[in-house]
Amino acid sequence: DAKTTQPTSMDCAEGRAANLPCNHSTISGNEYVYWYRQIHSQGPQYIIHGLKNNETNEMASLIITEDRKSSTLILPHATLRDTAVYYCIVSYTSGTYKYIFGTGTRLKVLA
Amino acid sequence: EPEVTQTPSHQVTQMGQEVILRCVPISNHLYFYWYRQILGQKVEFLVSFYNNEISEKSEIFDDQFSVERPDGSNFTLKIRSTKLEDSAMYFCASKDTGPYGYTFGSGTRLTVV
Repeated sequence: DAKTTQPTSMDCAEGRAANLPCNHSTISGNEYVYWYRQIHSQGPQYIIHGLKNNETNEMASLIITEDRKSSTLILPHATLRDTAVYYCIVSYTSGTYKYIFGTGTRLKVLA
Repeated sequence: EPEVTQTPSHQVTQMGQEVILRCVPISNHLYFYWYRQILGQKVEFLVSFYNNEISEKSEIFDDQFSVERPDGSNFTLKIRSTKLEDSAMYFCASKDTGPYGYTFGSGTRLTVV
């Protein structure tokens, strides 16, 4: 089973920030948090990852709580093209790096 | 930006036939994966491959499935005798050493009739 829980769906107005939460209360010290998104039936697309510090790249920001039990993915100015299923995944930093996908959050960006 | 390439994009096969799904991972990546997604369901791990051998496989990856890296560039998934329930999107992925994310291909839609 997935080690993360996410809301099933969310709506966001175009141009506004989309904040997608993820709970990973059983995360261990050597597990990273990864975020991916899947548009229709395309292959999942990597967005961002982090261990304990907040991270930002050209796509999004990742905020990880100090106890690392939850995180939030922030899309600062959502566009219609950001409509997708967003997956939060925890994975070890060694070994096979296998992912266990949950059901994700279906984000709908509204015009 | 480097891509993982999968062919074909769509394959239709008769039940009981063998299929080979092909993938070209990113050239300097060392870890290779196959995942599948049955329509409307979660993305499921099938197998991971490192250093020319399977490093982990799921319960789904039974004796009907095999993987191969026949040369330095291709990574294939073979299903020996397809069943109706093998119908799904199959995604190949690769990653580099370290905590970097995967790069997934765009998938092969397998339809078993």
